[in-house]
Amino acid sequence: NAGVTQTPKFQVLKTGQSMTLQCAQDMNHEYMSWYRQDPGMGLRLIHYSVGAGITDQGEVPNGYNVSRSTTEDFPLRLLSAAPSQTSVYFCASSSPGTSGSPLHFGNGTRLTVT
Amino acid sequence: SQQGEEDPQALSIQEGENATMNCSYKTSINNLQWYRQNSGRGLVHLILIRSNEREKHSGRLRVTLDTSKKSSSLLITASRAADTASYFCATHGFGNEKLTFGTGTRLTIIP
Repeated sequence: NAGVTQTPKFQVLKTGQSMTLQCAQDMNHEYMSWYRQDPGMGLRLIHYSVGAGITDQGEVPNGYNVSRSTTEDFPLRLLSAAPSQTSVYFCASSSPGTSGSPLHFGNGTRLTVT
Repeated sequence: SQQGEEDPQALSIQEGENATMNCSYKTSINNLQWYRQNSGRGLVHLILIRSNEREKHSGRLRVTLDTSKKSSSLLITASRAADTASYFCATHGFGNEKLTFGTGTRLTIIP
């Protein structure tokens, strides 16, 4: 049982480049989300989805796009990378229905923008 | 803005001692959760306590919740070296699925 899988694990981009962070889960979870983690700031929610075809913004959505075409996948796109997007990115999923279901996290993507 | 703030930011104790971490939050919650993060890894869920509960136990973990003070505490008893990690509280509000995390407590267990 793989759980939540994130790829790549590490990535270096130059300012202005674009890329997609991949996230896939095999637990048939309806809810998926993206967080970024920066030193001293905990985790901040970027975007989330409560099911295929439905996405919404979190606390820090600027500079990021998401889509949810399937239950399993929730990619995060950086359209034009900036140094301020240097961070560790975590994808997480849960099965709502039971209020406040625990999140299952991937192991993260460490992104550096130069 | 962060919903939860953990205190202390860092804690070092001897193996075998108990570790207590506190979390304060700002708005009404449906439930509060605690997570552990080992270095370089994703977060792992530890325990969930609902707004109508005051205390919950899971193995060596004890969580309390005081909704009147908007605060929670996590107690780890008989600490082990493997407990070295960062611990985060996260709050779940009403009417949505979003989970808002605090800034974390870095716990170091000295063998």
